[in-house]
Amino acid sequence: GQSLEQPSEVTAVEGAIVQINCTYQTSGFYGLSWYQQHDGGAPTFLSYNALDGLEETGRFSSFLSRSDSYGYLLLQELQMKDSASYFCAVRDPSSNTGKLIFGQGTTLQVKP
Amino acid sequence: NAGVTQTPKFRVLKTGQSMTLLCAQDMNHEYMYWYRQDPGMGLRLIHYSVGEGTTAKGEVPDGYNVSRLKKQNFLLGLESAAPSQTSVYFCASRTSGARQETQYFGPGTRLLVL
Repeated sequence: GQSLEQPSEVTAVEGAIVQINCTYQTSGFYGLSWYQQHDGGAPTFLSYNALDGLEETGRFSSFLSRSDSYGYLLLQELQMKDSASYFCAVRDPSSNTGKLIFGQGTTLQVKP
Repeated sequence: NAGVTQTPKFRVLKTGQSMTLLCAQDMNHEYMYWYRQDPGMGLRLIHYSVGEGTTAKGEVPDGYNVSRLKKQNFLLGLESAAPSQTSVYFCASRTSGARQETQYFGPGTRLLVL
């Protein structure tokens, strides 16, 4: 089966850098994606890594190591509005229809 | 574009009652999904559709039925609600030309079953 593991909570201060890790076990792997969800809101797509390395999008970066079955989301210059839950997700390898498997999510609390 | 919308936003049901959750998207997306989200857990796929007139089971389909009579709408039905179905339900969609991991989510429906 497929499983993803993330820390349940992370706390950081405004202006700092925080890394949210995700390890995965899957019988087939295409890539690792990240979603952000503010409290009471809808999940929104942040990033996707199919190849090893770092992908940067503004203050957010995402990293993947396929050999280690590991990835992380890096948030720089933290702002209060970054307080949210962050989910990593992988595609269900048994399907070609976009079925995603999500981790349990990491709640990031940014403090002043 | 309104994107993905969901109706209702919040609902309270008694055990055994039935209801239908409506998801609508105006992006002409082929794929649509229904997820449920429970406290401390990620999103779990209930049912999905790859196009008008098609539906398929996801990870947790028991107790739910779906229909996709029109491309823009995806309905989720609970025939006999149970307290275990208390959850937040999210609908999502994507176009066939997009990466499978890029899904657009609606604002959610909060359901409480007493």
